[in-house]
Amino acid sequence: DAGITQSPRYKITETGRQVTLMCHQTWSHSYMFWYRQDLGHGLRLIYYSAAADITDKGEVPDGYVVSRSKTENFPLTLESATRSQTSVYFCASSVSGSTHEQYFGPGTRLTVT
Amino acid sequence: GENVEQHPSTLSVQEGDSAVIKCTYSDSASNYFPWYKQELGKRPQLIIDIRSNVGEKKDQRIAVTLNKTAKHFSLHITETQPEDSAVYFCAASTNSGYALNFGKGTSLLVTP
Repeated sequence: DAGITQSPRYKITETGRQVTLMCHQTWSHSYMFWYRQDLGHGLRLIYYSAAADITDKGEVPDGYVVSRSKTENFPLTLESATRSQTSVYFCASSVSGSTHEQYFGPGTRLTVT
Repeated sequence: GENVEQHPSTLSVQEGDSAVIKCTYSDSASNYFPWYKQELGKRPQLIIDIRSNVGEKKDQRIAVTLNKTAKHFSLHITETQPEDSAVYFCAASTNSGYALNFGKGTSLLVTP
């Protein structure tokens, strides 16, 4: 589990601000994912990346931007934060896509005021 | 995810009893079905998974069964203990090759 980390762990920001959540993994996993977790909705995929410089949208991508210039990093940016983006964000990585275990980071609790 | 339904949303059992959580999926191409356990304030962690070429898999007190025809799979926990209390998520792979569709979770409470 120490192989995938997220920062910050807690963040409070104001509506309209830009905020970036960081994710770093040391396993050289090809796939990386961003999920948000909200009560009653389970885990919903925001974006995923199959390799460096390859990213694609998930179920709830609106308002988020990702990049992956290096295999080990997968930052998630909220360009103009809204209250509806208050959530717990989990980054995950996997050897392959949907047919192998996904390892989750510890999560970032984001509050937008 | 909208293609995986999970029931019940909450489950309370007494220590030593069995617990069963059921999930149904809609994508006939799904071939990988993991179960994750999430303790309060922690990250989800894989506890068991099953692939479509297997009907049942056991790991100590935990078992998962898969019925491909009916498109449902279940998690069975026997001899429950208080430390089994957590939220459990089922998931199913998709034909996209990258995504897992997660159920909305079952909050299991094991009372001593």
